[in-house]
This record gives sequence, structure tokens and C-alpha cells, in this order.
Amino acid sequence: DGGITQSPKYLFRKEGQNVTLSCEQNLNHDAMYWYRQDPGQGLRLIYYSQIVNDFQKGDIAEGYSVSREKKESFPLTVTSAQKNPTAFYLCASSGGGLGNEQFFGPGTRLTVL
Amino acid sequence: GQQVMQIPQYQHVQEGEDFTTYCNSSTTLSNIQWYKQRPGGHPVFLIQLVKSGEVKKQKRLTFQFGEAKKNSSLHITATQTTDVGTYFCAENYGGATNKLIFGTGTLLAVQP
Repeated sequence: DGGITQSPKYLFRKEGQNVTLSCEQNLNHDAMYWYRQDPGQGLRLIYYSQIVNDFQKGDIAEGYSVSREKKESFPLTVTSAQKNPTAFYLCASSGGGLGNEQFFGPGTRLTVL
Repeated sequence: GQQVMQIPQYQHVQEGEDFTTYCNSSTTLSNIQWYKQRPGGHPVFLIQLVKSGEVKKQKRLTFQFGEAKKNSSLHITATQTTDVGTYFCAENYGGATNKLIFGTGTLLAVQP
């Protein structure tokens, strides 16, 4: 939706494995974001990037890593160091600047067994 | 740290009844955005409020920003089953980075 794609929609992994979630946007947006959503809760910011080759930690970055090698792509790796990785992961982008709305992808529901 | 409190957590209404959700911050907000997330879906932007005391309307939805810019509300008149979902307010706290702090959300259930 809104030119942002996330794949896959559902992902299952064994405990101790790293897993990478993809996020691609064709909106020509500079800023991209990763959020985590747990059942019945709001969204918490994991990482964000305002420009290619630059990214910043959000509120809950521990156990996660990102890269921003291309403007269109902002993949998130959930590492084995993340203690409770099972969650709904949402990627978003915005045109940048104060107050611009964020456009969200459909999300990836990760379950670690 | 900054917190955005949202109440109620859950509201169940009969179709046709009104609904209001409130968002409160411990600090003055630069602006506030509202999003709607349908069950199983992703958040979709509804509106942004910037000015003190601002009121904006979208059909049956009315959004308000408090005079002190520390609270906001979303009111839905005559709810319909299509209004079902979770409504989030989000505070822009990162300046030009557009980082958002999301409230915990209000889940609206509408009984036909």
C-alpha cells in the first residue's frame, strides 16, 4: 500500500537464527522507519533513516540492525540477541521535514519458535 | 521521557452512537497526527493538527487540538461498522526527522 512493500507477510524462524525483513518503497521518500507492534499495544520505533547510508537508533534498537544502501530499501535484521522477537513489524516512509505523514507497508508478522 | 497517553483503551458502541478518543501528553506538542489501523492491517494517516485550538473535520470525524497543545481528541459522529479499528494519536517529537511517539491506541468495536 502507498508504494511500500514488505515481504513476506508471515515469517517463521527458529530461536537463535537471524532473520532479515525487507522493506521497499517507490515513493522517492528520503526518510524510512521500522516499528515493532505487540498485541494490543502501540508502535515502538526501532530504527530510522533520513538519508542513504545514514541511520539512527530508535527507542528499542537492541537486538536489531539495519542498512540503507539504497534510497528505496531499508532492510531490518532481527538478530539472535533480540530476546523477544515475535511481533508485528511495520516499515514506513515519509517525505521528510516537520510533520509529514508516514506511509506504512502491510507489515511482516514474525514468529520465532 | 515523553509519553503519550490515550484513553480509553477499548470502546464498544452500537452502530449509530458517537465515539471519542482522547490523547494526552506530559509536554507541549509541536504537532499531532492521527492514524487508523483496521484489524490485521497497517496504520493509515488520517490528519495532522498543528495550531493551538485547531479543529478539523473529515465527514463524520472531528479532530481537535487543545489550547495548550497538550491534548487532542478524535470524535466520530454516528459510528458505522466501517469505523471499526484502532485509532492512534502520534506526537512528532523529532523535529525535522519526523520521529513519532505513538499513543497506545483506542480499539473501537461497532455492533451493527
